Amino acid sequence: AQRVTQPEKLLSVFKGAPVELKCNYSYSGSPELFWYVQYSRQRLQLLLRHISRESIKGFTADLNKGETSFHLKKPFAQEEDSAMYYCALSGPTSGTYKYIFGTGTRLKVLA
Amino acid sequence: NAGVTQTPKFRILKIGQSMTLQCTQDMNHNYMYWYRQDPGMGLKLIYYSVGAGITDKGEVPNGYNVSRSTTEDFPLRLELAAPSQTSVYFCASNNLAGGSNEQFFGPGTRLTVL
Repeated sequence: AQRVTQPEKLLSVFKGAPVELKCNYSYSGSPELFWYVQYSRQRLQLLLRHISRESIKGFTADLNKGETSFHLKKPFAQEEDSAMYYCALSGPTSGTYKYIFGTGTRLKVLA
Repeated sequence: NAGVTQTPKFRILKIGQSMTLQCTQDMNHNYMYWYRQDPGMGLKLIYYSVGAGITDKGEVPNGYNVSRSTTEDFPLRLELAAPSQTSVYFCASNNLAGGSNEQFFGPGTRLTVL
């Protein structure tokens, strides 16, 4: 079954500490992987995607096909990083295109 | 481009009332989605559409209906509102015609059913 798993509902770190938000997926094929972010009372927006292999706001994510993971990392957390983060995948399934979101991880960066 | 727009921003309904949440996108996207986000929880897919005239159920479709008569519009209808439908509703769209498959989200509609 296709699935995106974010095992942590809440992650609290201190400012300046490293951050790793975990994402594992289950998909038969080669999906496209994304991280979306939702700041307080704002709409979801794309943070980064695996195909661009870029760093956005200091965040990076590496696709590990062997472990089917796409963890989001930042070496030094900032208070403005506090938000809800969603991992998502997209790929063809049974003649249509599926987009599956994980349940989200709330990141709190403490001063 | 305005992107994805939703109306209304807020609404309070009484139990048993009905309403339509409007969603419009001006990016000529073929895929459109409706999600609900309960307080402190993640997104749940209600319905989606792969093009005008085609809709399909997501994981939580009960109590809702949708239609897609045009590429731009994807309204969500609540019949007989219940307190369990108190949530924030997000509409989203994307296109699969080349490039990355990013979803674009609307600002959300905050619905309270009392």
